[in-house]
Amino acid sequence: QKEVEQNSGPLSVPEGAIASLNCTYSDRGSQSFFWYRQYSGKSPELIMFIYSNGDKEDGRFTAQLNKASQYVSLLIRDSPPSDSATYLCAVNMGGNNRLAFGKGNQVVVIP
Amino acid sequence: GAVVSQHPSRVICKSGTSVKIECRSLDFQATTMFWYRQFPKKSLMLMATSNEGSKATYEQGVEKDKFLINHASLTLSTLTVTSAHPEDSSFYICSARDPLSAYEQYFGPGTRLTVT
Repeated sequence: QKEVEQNSGPLSVPEGAIASLNCTYSDRGSQSFFWYRQYSGKSPELIMFIYSNGDKEDGRFTAQLNKASQYVSLLIRDSPPSDSATYLCAVNMGGNNRLAFGKGNQVVVIP
Repeated sequence: GAVVSQHPSRVICKSGTSVKIECRSLDFQATTMFWYRQFPKKSLMLMATSNEGSKATYEQGVEKDKFLINHASLTLSTLTVTSAHPEDSSFYICSARDPLSAYEQYFGPGTRLTVT
C-alpha cells in the first residue's frame, strides 16, 4: 500500500495564478508533514512543514492539514515562472525523522 | 540554513565495480543521516538511516550487503554501491537531520550514478 499519494497529473497555471496541490497519506500515526520543491536534476528543497491541523502560511505558500481525513495540501499564490518544478509531499514515518515521499506533482507556470 | 555536501556529483563506472559516495554536513554535527535513491521521473525512496557510531537501518527491500553505509564521524556518512550493475544507475541523495530542529533535515545536492 502506497504510503503517500499525489495523484494529480502535471498542473499548468498562468503566471500570477494560484496552484493547488493535494496529498493523502495512509499512516494515521504520522505527526509531521512536509512540502518540498525539486527542480529537474537537483535535490529537494524544503518549502514548509506543518504538524497541526489547520492552515499554516509562509509568504506565498499555505499548507493545510486535516489529520482526520489524512490529507495535506499546498497552495501557491502569485506564481512566477520560477515556481515551475516538481512539488513533493513527504510524511514523517515515525521516530528519527524517516520520510516517505509522494511521487510529486509537476507544476508549470506559464508566462 | 545548514549545508550538506555530496561527493562526487556525477560518477560513471563499469558494471561490477564499486562506487563510494560521501555525504558531509559542513556546519553542523549530524548524528543521523539518510540515504535516498531516485529513478527518473520517480519519487525519492528512502534506502537507509545512517546512525553515527552504529549500524545503519535499512528499509525493507534494500540489500544491506550491496549498499554499504558507514557513518564513522558526526559529519560524514558514506554509501558504497558494491558490484554495481546498470539497474543501480540512479540519483542518490543524502540528507542530514538538524539536531536543533524537531523536523528539519537538509538535503545534499545528489550524486548521479551511471553504471555502464
